[in-house]
Amino acid sequence: AQSVTQPDIHITVSEGASLELRCNYSYGATPYLFWYVQSPGQGLQLLLKYFSGDTLVQGIKGFEAEFKRSQSSFNLRKPSVHWSDAAEYFCAVAGRGANNLFFGTGTRLTVIP
Amino acid sequence: EPEVTQTPSHQVTQMGQEVILRCVPISNHLYFYWYRQILGQKVEFLVSFYNNEISEKSEIFDDQFSVERPDGSNFTLKIRSTKLEDSAMYFCASSQTWGGSNQPQHFGDGTRLSIL
Repeated sequence: AQSVTQPDIHITVSEGASLELRCNYSYGATPYLFWYVQSPGQGLQLLLKYFSGDTLVQGIKGFEAEFKRSQSSFNLRKPSVHWSDAAEYFCAVAGRGANNLFFGTGTRLTVIP
Repeated sequence: EPEVTQTPSHQVTQMGQEVILRCVPISNHLYFYWYRQILGQKVEFLVSFYNNEISEKSEIFDDQFSVERPDGSNFTLKIRSTKLEDSAMYFCASSQTWGGSNQPQHFGDGTRLSIL
């Protein structure tokens, strides 16, 4: 069965600093991987996805993520964080052939001036 | 960009009452989903729906839950007899193809359900 682990519950970074949010997954084959962002009171917005091919994927708002099969990881990165990036970030996995997403518990990002 | 829309944004209901949460998926999408997020917890899959029938459901989706696509645009989640533990944010999602393919699911802003 699929599962997703986001080991960091809460991360605080300074505006302009770089960011890396960790995500590890458990799945028997190569899954589909996603990062979603949830601003307070809002729904889930897709940041980026990995299906196949290039293991470094670019998303919206300057985010990127790298799929590392050997580490079962799909970490989200951004070189310079903006105050508007403060939100909850969810990593999710979909098994190829499955019909639903499995989400991690989320990482809350706080950005300080 | 087309969006998934959910109504109402907040629903307050007495325990034991029936509640219907409504969603309008993106118009050319064929697969529809409900997820829920209990406060402070992860987003959990409830059910997926395709071609007017449930294609997959989780163990959370018991007999008190039902889904329906009553017309060509709406997709509803009904909770027949609400319990306190049903209090959560409920998200609707849709996708062009099934969830295990290369088409991502697009989510609505959610309905916050509060059971008193």
